[in-house]
Amino acid sequence: GESVGLHLPTLSVQEGDNSIINCAYSNSASDYFIWYKQESGKGPQFIIDIRSNMDKRQGQRVTVLLNKTVKHLSLQIAATQPGDSAVYFCAEIPNQAGTALIFGKGTTLSVSS
Amino acid sequence: DAMVIQNPRYQVTQFGKPVTLSCSQTLNHNVMYWYQQKSSQAPKLLFHYYDKDFNNEADTPDNFQSRRPNTSFCFLDIRSPGLGDAAMYLCATSRDYAGGYTFGSGTRLTVV
Repeated sequence: GESVGLHLPTLSVQEGDNSIINCAYSNSASDYFIWYKQESGKGPQFIIDIRSNMDKRQGQRVTVLLNKTVKHLSLQIAATQPGDSAVYFCAEIPNQAGTALIFGKGTTLSVSS
Repeated sequence: DAMVIQNPRYQVTQFGKPVTLSCSQTLNHNVMYWYQQKSSQAPKLLFHYYDKDFNNEADTPDNFQSRRPNTSFCFLDIRSPGLGDAAMYLCATSRDYAGGYTFGSGTRLTVV
């Protein structure tokens, strides 16, 4: 079936660097995307979302970019901090009635001091 | 603060012994979801309630059941847990399918 996936299972960066986490989705009908952060032993925490009528959205230290042409989603974290170390998931909601949130595979971000 | 609360945080059950996990919410969201997350994997949707309407995923085993007695509470029942059912179980809520998705902290289930 169609699903959301991430390009890299792991990403290691130095504190202060900018991080970019990528996600490719295959369902062209999807119209809502969310990035989640999950720390060990905790539930997913909402970071930022974007709808398909936008190509960029900014939050505090985070930016999500959506390229519908190539069905690609990315999460940019500015000035990455050790507290950003976690697993990051992108998730989508296909534009279908009665469809719930579907997760991609996740990228583990490790930030070293 | 409005939130999604899962109890217990950790649950140990015996192989084959029925177990129930609970979820409550103060967000007044009309949709409640149960996800299963195994180690190093993404959360996988088991089923969800849209108001009182139950929506089961096609590949969810019959061993998993759910109840939603009211807007605020939702239960996950595992009738005969196997070793392969050991996982983190996550409850989530949303307003319709439009947004506001909020997750609980999860229940870590161990089967012995």
